[in-house]
Amino acid sequence: EDQVTQSPEALRLQEGESSSLNCSYTVSGLRGLFWYRQDPGKGPEFLFTLYSAGEEKEKERLKATLTKKESFLHITAPKPEDSATYLCAVQGRGGSSNTGKLIFGQGTTLQVKP
Amino acid sequence: AAGVIQSPRHLIKEKRETATLKCYPIPRHDTVYWYQQGPGQDPQFLISFYEKMQSDKGSIPDRFSAQQFSDYHSELNMSSLELGDSALYFCASSLQGMGGNTIYFGEGSWLTVV
Repeated sequence: EDQVTQSPEALRLQEGESSSLNCSYTVSGLRGLFWYRQDPGKGPEFLFTLYSAGEEKEKERLKATLTKKESFLHITAPKPEDSATYLCAVQGRGGSSNTGKLIFGQGTTLQVKP
Repeated sequence: AAGVIQSPRHLIKEKRETATLKCYPIPRHDTVYWYQQGPGQDPQFLISFYEKMQSDKGSIPDRFSAQQFSDYHSELNMSSLELGDSALYFCASSLQGMGGNTIYFGEGSWLTVV
């Protein structure tokens, strides 16, 4: 069964204090690993898709990396507006469906204080 | 760019009533997904449609049904509502490709059952 575990559950940082969020996964054939940002009461906002181990992607202060067992979301010099819940999800190849539903982790709630 | 449109944004229903949520996917996307997110929880996959046919089924109660119409919009019908159905319901859409397909989410529909 596909499974995603994120850590830590919550993270409090000072503005400018860099850190990393972890996403460990097990999946029967990885089609893609996704990172989303979710603000309270809003829909998940797409950040990155990673397809194979060794792949890295960057967007502003965020950088996502992927290995065969986990992914990291690195946040460099965060700002208060980066405060949100960050969700990791995997899309597997298993099962009769090929439409790629996402299996989410519980998320990491990030709070960046000025 | 056009995003996934959901309606209504907020809905209050009494126990045992029925509710219908609507979703308009991103133009030219061929796959629609429905997710349910309870307070403080990660999104849980309910059901998906590919080219108007049901393609995958997750933890969707028998009281719920969904369909995708000829114009690709989708509706989630919920009957005999229970207090535990109160949640944020997301619709998402994607375009199937050879590799992973990025899934974009709408802003969600808040359902409160009283």
